[in-house]
Amino acid sequence: EDKVVQSPLSLVVHEGDTVTLNCSYEVTNFRSLLWYKQEKKAPTFLFMLTSSGIEKKSGRLSSILDKKELSSILNITATQTGDSAIYLCARDTGTASKLTFGTGTRLQVTL
Amino acid sequence: NAGVTQTPKFQVLKTGQSMTLQCAQDMNHNSMYWYRQDPGMGLRLIYYSASEGTTDKGEVPNGYNVSRLNKREFSLRLESAAPSQTSVYFCASSEPRGPYGYTFGSGTRLTVV
Repeated sequence: EDKVVQSPLSLVVHEGDTVTLNCSYEVTNFRSLLWYKQEKKAPTFLFMLTSSGIEKKSGRLSSILDKKELSSILNITATQTGDSAIYLCARDTGTASKLTFGTGTRLQVTL
Repeated sequence: NAGVTQTPKFQVLKTGQSMTLQCAQDMNHNSMYWYRQDPGMGLRLIYYSASEGTTDKGEVPNGYNVSRLNKREFSLRLESAAPSQTSVYFCASSEPRGPYGYTFGSGTRLTVV
């Protein structure tokens, strides 16, 4: 089955901690892997990863793709309460850019 | 502001009623999508339209129909609502092979009683 699996399902950390979120997928032919952040409403785009081993970085967030292991990680350093959200991973096979989403990781950052 | 506009934001329906969710984008994107999001299930694709004039089924199309009215608008219709269709619905658009993935609408929270 064409699945995207995220772990952990939920996570509670203290402000200042570093977290690593995981995403794995089950097919080898894809065009890209994407990460989104979802707070109260619609998901917002974080990263698109197409090449293995190349880190994408935006402030305290970074992500990297491992095509050999069919996986990706999203790192958040020095977490803040504003990082509390659901983080979604999605795979794009390139067919009409349809995305298959994982169930998400719910991150809660406490003071 | 450019983006994807969905209406309505909230709706309560009785079982068997019909309704249409509207979606419009002003980014000149070719592709549009309808997803539903349920607790613990992530986002699941209902229907998509790769370009104006075409529509295709996604992962969970049963009980829904769509219309790509023009390049800007993509509507989702529930002909006879069922409690299992209680969900949050998101419309999205994208430019194929674009660098930023989807742009999502703000969502419609639908409750079927």
